[in-house]
Amino acid sequence: EAGVTQFPSHSVIEKGQTVTLRCDPISGHDNLYWYRRVMGKEIKFLLHFVKESKQDESGMPNNRFLAERTGGTYSTLKVQPAELEDSGVYFCASSPPGQGRGYTFGSGTRLTVV
Amino acid sequence: RKEVEQDPGPFNVPEGATVAFNCTYSNSASQSFFWYRQDCRKEPKLLMSVYSSGNEDGRFTAQLNRASQYISLLIRDSKLSDSATYLCVVNDPKWGKLTFGQGTILTVHP
Repeated sequence: EAGVTQFPSHSVIEKGQTVTLRCDPISGHDNLYWYRRVMGKEIKFLLHFVKESKQDESGMPNNRFLAERTGGTYSTLKVQPAELEDSGVYFCASSPPGQGRGYTFGSGTRLTVV
Repeated sequence: RKEVEQDPGPFNVPEGATVAFNCTYSNSASQSFFWYRQDCRKEPKLLMSVYSSGNEDGRFTAQLNRASQYISLLIRDSKLSDSATYLCVVNDPKWGKLTFGQGTILTVHP
């Protein structure tokens, strides 16, 4: 079984540019989560999709961040325009239908904004 | 107060040592608790779930005290391969999102 796949693994962009991160969850996993780890801080929740619907987006930092999951399959997280404080590692995770057990994390996208 | 707080560490121990990590959480309604392991520049991976009755998996023992809102992890007979960051994680009771502690770095040396 393929795991959670994230692309790209690394991205270096200039302040003000746009970046789009992609996550392909495990097939059949209705739940898809985005998390972020900023340098020196704990991993923090960004948002949660159930299929194509946003269940909880309370962790999204501001309106420069836009997440989508059209068709309930893969998800994208777009940052526009990127700021220096957006640098960090963005993790995606998925879990089967239900109460969020059985999480599998992707290997993350390391974003550096210069 | 942070939702999940861990020992700051780092812990540097010799092979064969026993090491214990502690964690407290603030949401008394939390239902599920976990220890994750994260290797350098890798994703978090589930080490073990934590149950009220306590549970053991080989050299690893996890304990949960709901009254004190306290979670622990004990590693016996440490191996070099145990070197990693250990993350205390609590599952939101409603929607399943995970809340992470900052992590404790463990280094096991020869």
